[in-house]
Amino acid sequence: ETGVTQTPRHLVMGMTNKKSLKCEQHLGHNAMYWYKQSAKKPLELMFVYNFKEQTENNSVPSRFSPECPNSSHLFLHLHTLQPEDSALYLCASSQDLSGTYNEQFFGPGTRLTVL
Amino acid sequence: QKEVEQNSGPLSVPEGAIASLNCTYSDRVSQSFFWYRQYSGKSPELIMSIYSNGDKEDGRFTAQLNKASQYVSLLIRDSQPSDSATYLCAVRKAGNNRKLIWGLGTSLAVNP
Repeated sequence: ETGVTQTPRHLVMGMTNKKSLKCEQHLGHNAMYWYKQSAKKPLELMFVYNFKEQTENNSVPSRFSPECPNSSHLFLHLHTLQPEDSALYLCASSQDLSGTYNEQFFGPGTRLTVL
Repeated sequence: QKEVEQNSGPLSVPEGAIASLNCTYSDRVSQSFFWYRQYSGKSPELIMSIYSNGDKEDGRFTAQLNKASQYVSLLIRDSQPSDSATYLCAVRKAGNNRKLIWGLGTSLAVNP
């Protein structure tokens, strides 16, 4: 595997289900991100982890729960979601949070549909 | 005023022409600027990053940054149908809050 991988690629869930999204980066990076992409809206940053520590929670509802067990893996646990949570969920990684450059690289995303 | 603004398009250019994509930003102390390409149904892919005033060239792509006027542009020379995608501009603020601020993107269509 190379780059940033995400599973599953597609997910359909009911509002009472619990599911998890998984992200793994093979770039040796130390920072990982969750973004939400909805139609007609800019990319919304949800969470940021740097060296496994959460550094940002962008006022995300508690029905989204992130977990970062190490610098290579990031999870997003989902429970009691709403239909408006249907979107493309993107994971990204970067070297860390310092420096001028710090380019972010994205995984393929998980297309989530909440019924 | 949006923090990062892009013309939503669609921008339509003939194959072989130069496509010019523009992005303006509101925070004067922004320090890093990125262009991503996103094909329909896919994730964003980094094309160019630029940090200093002036031009930066990579193959058919040229990024231009003018911090005084607070805009960054992306030129695509010899446009190909495979360049048809949405181009996202992202700007990193200076200071402790160093997250990326994203534009809505410009849709580009290159016609054969």
